[in-house]
Amino acid sequence: QKEVEQNSGPLSVPEGAIASLNCTYSDRGSQSFFWYRQYSGKSPELIMFIYSNGDKEDGRFTAQLNKASQYVSLLIRDSQPSDSATYLCAVETSYDKVIFGPGTSLSVIP
Amino acid sequence: DVKVTQSSRYLVKRTGEKVFLECVQDMDHENMFWYRQDPGLGLRLIYFSYDVKMKEKGDIPEGYSVSREKKERFSLILESASTNQTSMYLCASSRGDSEISDTQYFGPGTRLTVL
Repeated sequence: QKEVEQNSGPLSVPEGAIASLNCTYSDRGSQSFFWYRQYSGKSPELIMFIYSNGDKEDGRFTAQLNKASQYVSLLIRDSQPSDSATYLCAVETSYDKVIFGPGTSLSVIP
Repeated sequence: DVKVTQSSRYLVKRTGEKVFLECVQDMDHENMFWYRQDPGLGLRLIYFSYDVKMKEKGDIPEGYSVSREKKERFSLILESASTNQTSMYLCASSRGDSEISDTQYFGPGTRLTVL
């Protein structure tokens, strides 16, 4: 089992819809969870991080964490074509190492 | 804002050459990392450093070495470049504060082609 898993996609949503990106992890003692966005040919940039169970909202983005299920998600409301990118989930494990998932490619169709 | 810079955006080298990739961060971060990113394989950690003159192997250190003589600078060295080292190389740094979530900030990347 890989340490951090994501659906590779591509995930296609129409403009204005909600995009839901999912991530599961294997280390039950993991502490912090990050979502990065990476545009084609560019480096990853942090969107948000979460470390407590529940929801964390920042503008159109909401991160959801369920430690019991070892699951973290990112919701993007009112999706825009500019949101088209690859989204990387990263997990800070119990042994203080950050593991990146393979990324999910999102395409927002105008 | 945190700024992480890398010495080259694009680099073309020949098989067997020694290659140096430089990374500099300006936020006094303790931790620095080197990754390579390949289609379908995601980000893979090559080496990292938690302090000056300190280095730790990541998941794929073979064929690479690193140097951290100063806190702000972390160099990746390909001792004898091979075609399978053609990749995008990303440097990152993080504060290293164990009290808060330790966000990594990435440089713009160096796309290395080995012919």
